[in-house]
Parts: sequence; C-alpha cells; structure tokens
Amino acid sequence: ETGVTQSPTHLIKTRGQQVTLRCSSQSGHNTVSWYQQALGQGPQFIFQYYREEENGRGNFPPRFSGLQFPNYSSELNVNALELDDSALYLCASSPGAGGTNYGYTFGSGTRLTVV
Amino acid sequence: GDSVTQMEGPVTLSEEAFLTINCTYTATGYPSLFWYVQYPGEGLQLLLKATKADDKGSNKGFEATYRKETTSFHLEKGSVQVSDSAVYFCALRRSGGSNYKLTFGKGTLLTVNP
Repeated sequence: ETGVTQSPTHLIKTRGQQVTLRCSSQSGHNTVSWYQQALGQGPQFIFQYYREEENGRGNFPPRFSGLQFPNYSSELNVNALELDDSALYLCASSPGAGGTNYGYTFGSGTRLTVV
Repeated sequence: GDSVTQMEGPVTLSEEAFLTINCTYTATGYPSLFWYVQYPGEGLQLLLKATKADDKGSNKGFEATYRKETTSFHLEKGSVQVSDSAVYFCALRRSGGSNYKLTFGKGTLLTVNP
C-alpha cells in the first residue's frame, strides 16, 4: 500500500507569483486535507476535499484554492504569493470525511520559499 | 474556538530517561485526541490516539490518557531512546458532523542523547 505522495519536495517562488502543489492520496482514501506549517509552528488547516468537493475551510484567504480529481489526488493553488506564505505544506488523506476516528496519513510535505 | 497548548521545548534527555510532554486542550463537546511525531525532513506520523474520556492510547512504549476533568492528554514514555528524537505534536479533532479538521499544538522538540 502506497502512502501519501507530494510534489515537488522543494520550491522557490517570487512574491506575486502563483504556485501549484500536488498530492496523491493513499490507496483507498477519498478525503484529502491540506495544512500549512510555518517554521517552528504546528500545522494549520487550510481546507479539505471529499469526493471532489471542498467541504471545509480554515482561516485562509481565497487566493488559496484547491481541486480534487476523480482518482482522489489533489492540488493546492496559491495566487499572488506573499513572503508569509513561505512554509511546509502538508497533505493528509483519510478514508472518510467526517465522523471517523482514523488519524490522517500525512505526506512528507512541500517546502515553499517565497523570495 | 478549539485550541491545543503543549509544553514548550526543546526537551533534552539522556537515553533511558523518563519522558513527559504536557498537553492541554480547549474544545466544545468530546474531541478525539492525538499525538503525532515528525522526524527531521519527514511528514507527520500518527503515534497514538484516544477517542473518549479515560481512554489510554499507546504505541512503541509511548502512552497518553484522555483526562476530561483536566482537559489534558500528556505524553509519557518510561525509557527514551536516541531514535525517539523528533518533534511531537498534540492535536484534537472534534467528533461528529463535519468537524473534521485537526487542531495542533505548536510542537515540542525532543532530543535524546546517548
């Protein structure tokens, strides 16, 4: 069974640019969540996708958007990058959207640096 | 809103020492509680969990008990190893409905010296 795979592992972008991060969920998982982890902080919830629909969002502006595909893989898009967007972006998958007590399976993350 | 407060680090111990990392939470209802571990350069791995009051989660010698009366979920291990060096995150997830997100503490860096 494969785990959660994220790409790329590292990325450097310039302020104002746009970026797309990708995530392949674990086999059998239909739910994907994205988290932002700033240096020295705990992960912060960005949003969650269940069966290709966004079904929850944290306190992030609309320039953070996402997609989920029929194979349950997902993308995180960030427009108009700001310096404070520099962080580790983590993708997590789960076999259900809500009411489950499973811990999520996390990927290794994409380290985004905005200069 | 929901929040998790955990012991500030870093924590430095010698091998075979006893470990405690404190975690307290604020949430409505009856959340599920988790400990995740993050090794250098890696994502988060679920270490253990508890879903109701007085439940004890355990894994790899680590234990934590869900204490509703003190809203706590402290992580303990009787004898740490060098390989336990990592960042540990306490997290909660509300139960039921669409309350699916994990709320994390800031993390505690543990370094175990031989």
